[in-house]
Amino acid sequence: AQKVTQAQTEISVVEKEDVTLDCVYETRDTTYYLFWYKQPPSGELVFLIRRNSFDEQNEISGRYSWNFQKSTSSFNFTITASQVVDSAVYFCALSEAQGNDYKLSFGAGTTVTVRA
Amino acid sequence: GAVVSQHPSWVICKSGTSVKIECRSLDFQATTMFWYRQFPKQSLMLMATSNEGSKATYEQGVEKDKFLINHASLTLSTLTVTSAHPEDSSFYICSARGPGVRQPQHFGDGTRLSIL
Repeated sequence: AQKVTQAQTEISVVEKEDVTLDCVYETRDTTYYLFWYKQPPSGELVFLIRRNSFDEQNEISGRYSWNFQKSTSSFNFTITASQVVDSAVYFCALSEAQGNDYKLSFGAGTTVTVRA
Repeated sequence: GAVVSQHPSWVICKSGTSVKIECRSLDFQATTMFWYRQFPKQSLMLMATSNEGSKATYEQGVEKDKFLINHASLTLSTLTVTSAHPEDSSFYICSARGPGVRQPQHFGDGTRLSIL
């Protein structure tokens, strides 16, 4: 069963528009971590944010913000005032205890294209 | 921040040859390393988890005799694709985690492998 679902395959916006990426996860663990990563065309994985399951406080970091809702098992991510350099594939990921390995399960990714 | 170096960045070789990819943690002791594979326009799929000094644990469907993983030191893990064939062409990414299962994974920049 898919543990992390990113329903949006592709999103295309014009520069300065806001972009919200959806992520829904599934786990039976009470302790887990949620992540957002960015993968630009060059391929490297860029860490953006990590939240643990006990911290539902939503924050803003520069142009990034996230909305963690345990009640709906969602961990959405928003880029405010998007820029062309934000064009990339964005992955949501879940890390569970699973025998103390805390492996990462990635969603399918959402390709964001920001047009000038 | 923690740095993980992956080498080579890309490799092209003939079918039937073996290819070794190195993953090094430069400024921390990586007790656990992970190897992922990513096909074009797809997500990252975990291949195996290796703990220093132990045999790697492979995910279901990953051939351990095909993908040899060695994690002999706290700073180096290697993935050897034996007798590579065109279907093994992919983007391989390693990650490393320090002591403590709740430490975050730090990713290398990936290796693009093309088998002709």
